[in-house]
Amino acid sequence: GAVVSQHPSWVICKSGTSVKIECRSLDFQATTMFWYRQFPKQSLMLMATSNEGSKATYEQGVEKDKFLINHASLTLSTLTVTSAHPEDSSFYICSAPVQRAAKTQYFGPGTRLLVL
Amino acid sequence: AQTVTQSQPEMSVQEAETVTLSCTYDTSESDYYLFWYKQPPSRQMILVIRQEAYKQQNATENRFSVNFQKAAKSFSLKISDSQLGDAAMYFCAYRSAGGTSYGKLTFGQGTILTVHP
Repeated sequence: GAVVSQHPSWVICKSGTSVKIECRSLDFQATTMFWYRQFPKQSLMLMATSNEGSKATYEQGVEKDKFLINHASLTLSTLTVTSAHPEDSSFYICSAPVQRAAKTQYFGPGTRLLVL
Repeated sequence: AQTVTQSQPEMSVQEAETVTLSCTYDTSESDYYLFWYKQPPSRQMILVIRQEAYKQQNATENRFSVNFQKAAKSFSLKISDSQLGDAAMYFCAYRSAGGTSYGKLTFGQGTILTVHP
């Protein structure tokens, strides 16, 4: 079945540094990918929609200069957390809709970010 | 905008018993999809079951079945013969069938399911 990978699976960084998270669709092309943020025992909050060949669409309240999204190819989207602060510590998940699979969506395994 | 509500933050069930997780949603759309996702401790999101709004027949996947009540905007998940591996956080999700929000999922708050041996 369709697989979505994320790298790294977890990262620790110092406050003020930038962190890049990659999301790849391994056996299908994804013109659209979604980025979510999840706090412990809470729901997934959609941050933005990544579109190949165009700018990302951010949800209300999400700082686009803080969370930079680049959809470099049909199989890769990246999320860069710029000038990270402790409050950015969270679990970040990407997903991609799969047309041929009856409109379902596949999720990456997630990236745990800890900002010290 | 659509909203999804899961009113049960936590549920528990004995192994081999049946449990039902509740979900209600609000939408003005007539065509949409509803999903139940499972998130085990590994935090990998796993699709459990999917329902197309235009289908009256309730979806089933082995031990998992839904009770879809379109008029009441209710979409509950029934897990039969519960197994220890069913322990996870369960999310109900809504997706429009088309338009500019194509592919975007709206999630409920989640229900933590504990399975007792």
